[in-house]
Amino acid sequence: NAGVMQNPRHLVRRRGQEARLRCSPMKGHSHVYWYRQLPEEGLKFMVYLQKENIIDESGMPKERFSAEFPKEGPSILRIQQVVRGDSAAYFCASSPLGNNSPLHFGNGTRLTVT
Amino acid sequence: GIQVEQSPPDLILQEGANSTLRCNFSDSVNNLQWFHQNPWGQLINLFYIPSGTKQNGRLSATTVATERYSLLYISSSQTTDSGVYFCAVSYGKLTFGQGTILTVHP
Repeated sequence: NAGVMQNPRHLVRRRGQEARLRCSPMKGHSHVYWYRQLPEEGLKFMVYLQKENIIDESGMPKERFSAEFPKEGPSILRIQQVVRGDSAAYFCASSPLGNNSPLHFGNGTRLTVT
Repeated sequence: GIQVEQSPPDLILQEGANSTLRCNFSDSVNNLQWFHQNPWGQLINLFYIPSGTKQNGRLSATTVATERYSLLYISSSQTTDSGVYFCAVSYGKLTFGQGTILTVHP
């Protein structure tokens, strides 16, 4: 009974490098969400995707960040040219029916930019 | 966008005590969920409760959508209940409150 799988668990990048975060939703879930959590803060919505479609990206920074959820394979959150301010925990969640159904979270990826 | 306010921000209990956490929100919602983030950072969905009352073991939740608030009750608290409790609401994408930090001492 696999839950939402995120990898890597921890990721260290130098300033200017690219970070790729992966998320496989729960079996049977086709709705994926990405959230960012800064230390001592709540979760901030970034993007909502369904297979091959971005439904809502209103929380994504306009530059350097992108997300996809291809027909086959995991959802990817990509951060280009990382800066120190990108250091955070990035959580992926999935749901069976979109916005009006329970959200289940992965264990997160802790990104540290040095 | 929707504003979500949780209270209290911090709560310290002795094991066995009961507590009530509150979530107020600024607009009509059709989705409200409670989550527990444990000290290792894992987020667990406790309740999907846009309205009404639900119970799961020592935890229960009530949402009064017309008055724009939800309550999470924890009875006979245990040290494993420690962590941060988040309320999240939406009419669309989920917006999280800032959380209540609960510490349960043995």
